[in-house]
Amino acid sequence: GAVVSQHPSRVICKSGTSVKIECRSLDFQATTMFWYRQFPKKSLMLMATSNEGSKATYEQGVEKDKFLINHASLTLSTLTVTSAHPEDSSFYICSARERVQGAYNEQFFGPGTRLTVL
Amino acid sequence: GEDVEQSLFLSVREGDSSVINCTYTDSSSTYLYWYKQEPGAGLQLLTYIFSNMDMKQDQRLTVLLNKKDKHLSLRIADTQTGDSAIYFCAEKKSGGGFKTIFGAGTRLFVKA
Repeated sequence: GAVVSQHPSRVICKSGTSVKIECRSLDFQATTMFWYRQFPKKSLMLMATSNEGSKATYEQGVEKDKFLINHASLTLSTLTVTSAHPEDSSFYICSARERVQGAYNEQFFGPGTRLTVL
Repeated sequence: GEDVEQSLFLSVREGDSSVINCTYTDSSSTYLYWYKQEPGAGLQLLTYIFSNMDMKQDQRLTVLLNKKDKHLSLRIADTQTGDSAIYFCAEKKSGGGFKTIFGAGTRLFVKA
């Protein structure tokens, strides 16, 4: 199957700093990328959906000024957590989907990034 | 309540069958999925079923869909220790950008 990578896999930062997480589709063109946040014992929470070349669509309750998403190319999307605070500590997972060709298009998931804010 | 619900924990003995259950709320969902997540890793698609199907079998995996009750199950035959992981049920909404909504995940623990 297609491969999605994330970098870094783990990051520790001080409160108040910004952190950028990269998501890359390695062998396909991802017209749509999704960013999720995973809480312990809770479902993956969809944060935002981004289509290449356009602004991301954020889910209700997700601050777009705090979680900046850029999908500048068909293989790269970035999530920047600005002015991070300890409550932003979480496991962030991206997924990517190719251009919708038919009724079914699989989302391929990255391995996730563990963010710890001290 | 949550769109997709599943129990949080299941423990089975090696060699037994595991059955992980899930309920969802959107009757117009087009696809339903089972994903597997191993520790510290992302999600791996195990199998999926289209909403007009009742059953799908893929080697040791059997997916049953009861559309009337909005109930989905995943049966793993001859469960192995390597099957220990978190299993997520998910549904793809038919509208609203075809978002995929996930359950909280069921942690499967396989005892040797």
